[in-house]
Amino acid sequence: TQLLEQSPQFLSIQEGENLTVYCNSSSVFSSLQWYRQESGEGPVLLVTVVTGGEVKKLKRLTFQFGDARKDSSLHITAAQPGDTGLYLCAGPSYNTDKLIFGTGTRLQVFP
Amino acid sequence: DVKVTQSSRYLVKRTGEKVFLECVQDMDHENMFWYRQDPGLGLRLIYFSYDVKMKEKGDIPEGYSVSREKKERFSLILESASTNQTSMYLCASRRQGAMNTEAFFGQGTRLTVV
Repeated sequence: TQLLEQSPQFLSIQEGENLTVYCNSSSVFSSLQWYRQESGEGPVLLVTVVTGGEVKKLKRLTFQFGDARKDSSLHITAAQPGDTGLYLCAGPSYNTDKLIFGTGTRLQVFP
Repeated sequence: DVKVTQSSRYLVKRTGEKVFLECVQDMDHENMFWYRQDPGLGLRLIYFSYDVKMKEKGDIPEGYSVSREKKERFSLILESASTNQTSMYLCASRRQGAMNTEAFFGQGTRLTVV
């Protein structure tokens, strides 16, 4: 079974701070996705990374796919309360359509 | 606006009851998924369907079954509910064949088994 481990599990910070969330696996993935889930809602896609070493930016969020395609990171610059939520990485299991998710990082940003 | 709709936001069932969780999508997606979400464990895949009447077990299928009689509808069945099945259940759909496509989720069903 392919596993996606995320760290940290919880993160509680003040508005304006920077943070990084990690998604790691012992397996190679053809691509990885990052989703954010807000309270009472289903997860929503933020970004997909497909090339080893790829960096994508979405406003204050920077996503990187590891060179070996076994890991990814999400960096948030100057976090805001609106960034609060559960961040999940996800990838296709053994290059199939079956999508597996990581263990999640719950982020709380205080004003 | 694309949509995945789960039939109930909250359910309370008794131990031993047969429970049906329904999910409908309007995007003509081939792939549909049922996940279970528990704190610290992320989303764990229960079952996956890639076509009508076709299904594959996920990582935690024990105690669950599924039904997909129509392309737009994917049902999760708890044959005999137990307290350890108290959880948030999320349904998702995704276009087939392109592994980078977005998964669309319903709002979830919070099931409590008492």
